[in-house]
Amino acid sequence: KQEVTQIPAALSVPEGENLVLNCSFTDSAIYNLQWFRQDPGKGLTSLLLIQSSQREQTSGRLNASLDKSSGRSTLYIAASQPGDSATYLCAVKYNAGNMLTFGGGTRLMVKP
Amino acid sequence: EAGVTQFPSHSVIEKGQTVTLRCDPISGHDNLYWYRRVMGKEIKFLLHFVKESKQDESGMPNNRFLAERTGGTYSTLKVQPAELEDSGVYFCASSQQPSSGPQYFGPGTRLTVL
Repeated sequence: KQEVTQIPAALSVPEGENLVLNCSFTDSAIYNLQWFRQDPGKGLTSLLLIQSSQREQTSGRLNASLDKSSGRSTLYIAASQPGDSATYLCAVKYNAGNMLTFGGGTRLMVKP
Repeated sequence: EAGVTQFPSHSVIEKGQTVTLRCDPISGHDNLYWYRRVMGKEIKFLLHFVKESKQDESGMPNNRFLAERTGGTYSTLKVQPAELEDSGVYFCASSQQPSSGPQYFGPGTRLTVL
């Protein structure tokens, strides 16, 4: 069964800290992996997309890595800010099919 | 460029009634997806259109759900008759061809069945 897991479910950090969010997947036959941000009551905002042939992608203070062999991806947020507070979702597109398989998300709170 | 839009943003209906959700994808995106999140669970795939054709509807829970995409532009998802367990947030997403690129999500429709 193809599953995606995100740990922890919730995380609270003081402003300015660097932090890492984790995503693990059970099947290494992935096509790509996408990280999203969701603010309360809003839709999903795409942050980064990593193709299976890539090891990492960067956008501003965000860096996402991918290790297919270990079934893991991490989202690194540098110098966190209160505005980074949101739920972060990891989603995997496996080779079979075009749908995304989502993790349960990590709810991040950055305290001023 | 306008993003994915969904209508309505909220819908509250009685059990047994019919509800129709609408999704307008990003212009030029051939791929359109429906997902939903029910209370306390992960977001789950429902179905995938390529233009007006259903490419994959393996996630549709039962035959009370009917999705259409006439003309390959906007899509509708009808629930008839609605049941309590259909309550949740229904998301629509779109992507360009080929589908190796990112999927862009709409704000979702929150459906409450009483």
